[in-house]
Amino acid sequence: KAGVTQTPRYLIKTRGQQVTLSCSPISGHRSVSWYQQTPGQGLQFLFEYFSETQRNKGNFPGRFSGRQFSNSRSEMNVSTLELGDSALYLCASSSAGGSGNEQFFGPGTRLTVL
Amino acid sequence: GESVGLHLPTLSVQEGDNSIINCAYSNSASDYFIWYKQESGKGPQFIIDIRSNMDKRQGQRVTVLLNKTVKHLSLQIAATQPGDSAVYFCAERPQGSYIPTFGRGTSLIVHP
Repeated sequence: KAGVTQTPRYLIKTRGQQVTLSCSPISGHRSVSWYQQTPGQGLQFLFEYFSETQRNKGNFPGRFSGRQFSNSRSEMNVSTLELGDSALYLCASSSAGGSGNEQFFGPGTRLTVL
Repeated sequence: GESVGLHLPTLSVQEGDNSIINCAYSNSASDYFIWYKQESGKGPQFIIDIRSNMDKRQGQRVTVLLNKTVKHLSLQIAATQPGDSAVYFCAERPQGSYIPTFGRGTSLIVHP
């Protein structure tokens, strides 16, 4: 069974631009979560989608948004990029989400904002 | 606020030794804990989890211990191998919440 895939793996943008990252979960998994990982803040939860609905949301500004499609693939968008948005963005999928369900992480998208 | 942290940012061990990575948590409402391993260039990989109704759980070469009295979590790796070199994170989830809080990570370096 193929793992979680994320595209692109690397991305360079400039301040003020917007970016869209893509995540394909493991086949059959309906829950997709997004995380931001930085050296300063560590791993922080962005949001979780389940059956095309945002079910949980972390403490990030409205510039960070996402969506999930009927095939469970998910995208996240960051608008009006800031230097501080430079990070590794990780996607994780699980079969049903919720407490206790093992999450499988993708390799991440490394975003650099110049 | 509530936080999850690690006592040691870097742990260096010799191949074959046992490794112990520690984690302190402060949210007494947490009832589910997870350890992840993250190798360079990869996403975190699930290692083992434990619920608050247990104080010990064993996997293959790994053991997680939970001490709810002092809000402490540890990961023990037996016969550490060079392939175990990675950053290890603990994470906790409060009861009824899906949102995990991750520790800052401990870098384990295994010397051959």
